[in-house]
Amino acid sequence: DGGITQSPKYLFRKEGQNVTLSCEQNLNHDAMYWYRQDPGQGLRLIYYSQIVNDFQKGDIAEGYSVSREKKESFPLTVTSAQKNPTAFYLCASSRRGPQKETQYFGPGTRLLVL
Amino acid sequence: AQKITQTQPGMFVQEKEAVTLDCTYDTSDPSYGLFWYKQPSSGEMIFLIYQGSYDQQNATEGRYSLNFQKARKSANLVISASQLGDSAMYFCAMSPSTLGRLYFGRGTQLTVWP
Repeated sequence: DGGITQSPKYLFRKEGQNVTLSCEQNLNHDAMYWYRQDPGQGLRLIYYSQIVNDFQKGDIAEGYSVSREKKESFPLTVTSAQKNPTAFYLCASSRRGPQKETQYFGPGTRLLVL
Repeated sequence: AQKITQTQPGMFVQEKEAVTLDCTYDTSDPSYGLFWYKQPSSGEMIFLIYQGSYDQQNATEGRYSLNFQKARKSANLVISASQLGDSAMYFCAMSPSTLGRLYFGRGTQLTVWP
């Protein structure tokens, strides 16, 4: 079955620790995205990538980093510089830029700070 | 600046009745796409319906229809014959053609009661 997988489902971070969230898709999509969702809020774009080896900052990129070495994978690292990382993180992909190309989402990762 | 506004934090509807969820948007881009997503309590974002800014007819997908009024910059979602399983958060999103990304509203929590 084609789709987007995110792991882990829950992730716990200690103070000063970097953690990496995984996102993999087998839809052969070119574009991939990372969003953050806080309780009662909409989605805010962290980073996005239209093609392999290229990515752009979204609205809240500070404290996060990404890589896009393979078309199928777009991991997100939450660094120690992100002071309030507790949130729900959603990964998405689309065939190209999302105008006329629907974004499909993974099941999400909940990040909690210990 | 791109902006999506959903003015209804919560809506209630009785089973089998129709309900309209409001969405207005602001963009200077003449070409754009409009999307609606459903987010159940599990967290995953489910694509519902898409409307292009140059589409002549309003989009429909089963029980979902999009009431697109371009001059008023509104893209309301109409759900007909509501079901208990429709209870969820609903997000409106817009994709300007020049930017290759989505902008989300803050969402409307829909509750369907028997």
